[in-house]
Amino acid sequence: DQQVKQNSPSLSVQEGRISILNCDYTNSMFDYFLWYKKYPAEGPTFLISISSIKDKNEDGRFTVFLNKSAKHLSLHIVPSQPGDSAVYFCAASSDNYGQNFVFGPGTRLSVLP
Amino acid sequence: GAVVSQHPSRVICKSGTSVKIECRSLDFQATTMFWYRQFPKQSLMLMATSNEGSKATYEQGVEKDKFLINHASLTLSTLTVTSAHPEDSSFYICSAPPSGRPYNEQFFGPGTRLTVL
Repeated sequence: DQQVKQNSPSLSVQEGRISILNCDYTNSMFDYFLWYKKYPAEGPTFLISISSIKDKNEDGRFTVFLNKSAKHLSLHIVPSQPGDSAVYFCAASSDNYGQNFVFGPGTRLSVLP
Repeated sequence: GAVVSQHPSRVICKSGTSVKIECRSLDFQATTMFWYRQFPKQSLMLMATSNEGSKATYEQGVEKDKFLINHASLTLSTLTVTSAHPEDSSFYICSAPPSGRPYNEQFFGPGTRLTVL
C-alpha cells in the first residue's frame, strides 16, 4: 500500500512554460513534505519543503502547494528550464526531525528546448 | 553543500558472494546514516538506520543478517550484502544529515548499482 503516490511517471513540458508535478498521500499523520530532484547516476538532492501549517512555500522558480484536506501537494516550476529535466521525488514524514521518510515513486520531468 | 560519497558506484558479483558498500560523509560528521534501496521505477525504500557506536535499526521486512550495517565512525557507514542473490540486484543509496541537524536536511550519496549474476 503506497502511502505516497505520484501518479504521473513522466511529464514533458516546453521550455519557459510551467511544470506541475503532483503528489498524493494517504497517511494523515504526515505533516512535513519534501521534494527531491535526482539526476541520473547521482543521489537525490533536496529541493524544497513545506510544513503542514502552511499551504504554500516559494523558493525562486519553485513553489510547493499543500492541500491538507485533499492530502495533495504539488510542485510548480516556472519558468521551466532544460536543466530542470530530472526525476522528482515527493517525500513525507511525520515531523521535522523524523527519520521515517516515505518516498513516492518519482516523476520524470523532461523540459524540451 | 555537504557531500556524501559511496563506493563502489557499480558492482557486479556472482551469486553467493558478499559485497560491501561504503558510505562516507566528506565534510561533516553524521551520527546517523540511512540506507535506502530503489528498484526500477519504484520509490526509495528505507532499509535501515545506521547509528554510530550502536546497532543499526532495520525496517520491517529487511533481514539484518543479510544486510549487515556497521557505522564505524562519524563519517563512515558500510552496508554488506551477504550471500548475494540475483533478487538483491538493486540500486542502494545512503544518506546522512549533519549531526544536530533535522533529518530533512539529509544529503544523499550518488548510489551503488549492484548486479548479482
